[in-house]
Amino acid sequence: DIQMTQSPSSVSASVGDRVTITCRASQGISSWLVWYQQKPGKAPKLLIYAASNLQSGVPSRFSGSGSGTDFTLTISSLQPEDFATYYCQQANSFPYTFGQGTKLEIK
Amino acid sequence: HLQLQESGPGLVKPSETLSLTCTVSGDSISSSSYYWGWIRQPPGKELEWIGIIYYSGGTYYSPSLKSRVTISIDTSKNQFSLRLSSVTAADTAVYYCARLGYNSREFDYWGQGTLVTVSS
Repeated sequence: DIQMTQSPSSVSASVGDRVTITCRASQGISSWLVWYQQKPGKAPKLLIYAASNLQSGVPSRFSGSGSGTDFTLTISSLQPEDFATYYCQQANSFPYTFGQGTKLEIK
Repeated sequence: HLQLQESGPGLVKPSETLSLTCTVSGDSISSSSYYWGWIRQPPGKELEWIGIIYYSGGTYYSPSLKSRVTISIDTSKNQFSLRLSSVTAADTAVYYCARLGYNSREFDYWGQGTLVTVSS
């Protein structure tokens, strides 16, 4: 299986801050990388697919980049509703494994 | 508007079989454009990919669960199901069903999730 490692595991930030979360794959996955947002007690929500494509309805302050093994999710200006846990998932080969998550907390 | 809804027992005894069904509304489960999948999340932990099924019945399971997992599909009822045998406390989790794009490869619609506790 391809292992996905996110960093940091948690981050504290303030409304208006710019935040970047990193995801690294144990082997190359081209651009087959997906980002999800999960709030407590809720199902994950699709944010970005194919590394950099914004899902319909997702605010443009979210962006993704990267290819190969290294990827980033950036939130350009944090809003109160963005405090959540973020997961990356590789979609290069089955099983489509997830990262361990990055919890974004209010400073 | 697509909706997925998990159903099944919330409590299963150790060594028994966990059975869940996902009912899809708002789209046909027979679409060739999607897989249908199961993902779980133990309390306070990360997401774990269990497996997926195509409308034709083709499946792929996580190697770590393969010996205990069966996913099936009933196109006449627009449902797909998960069976996990010989459960232990480690299988306690919120179980989600979701739609996976065949070409785009993302889970774009998810059920709300159902907590299954393994306990005697």
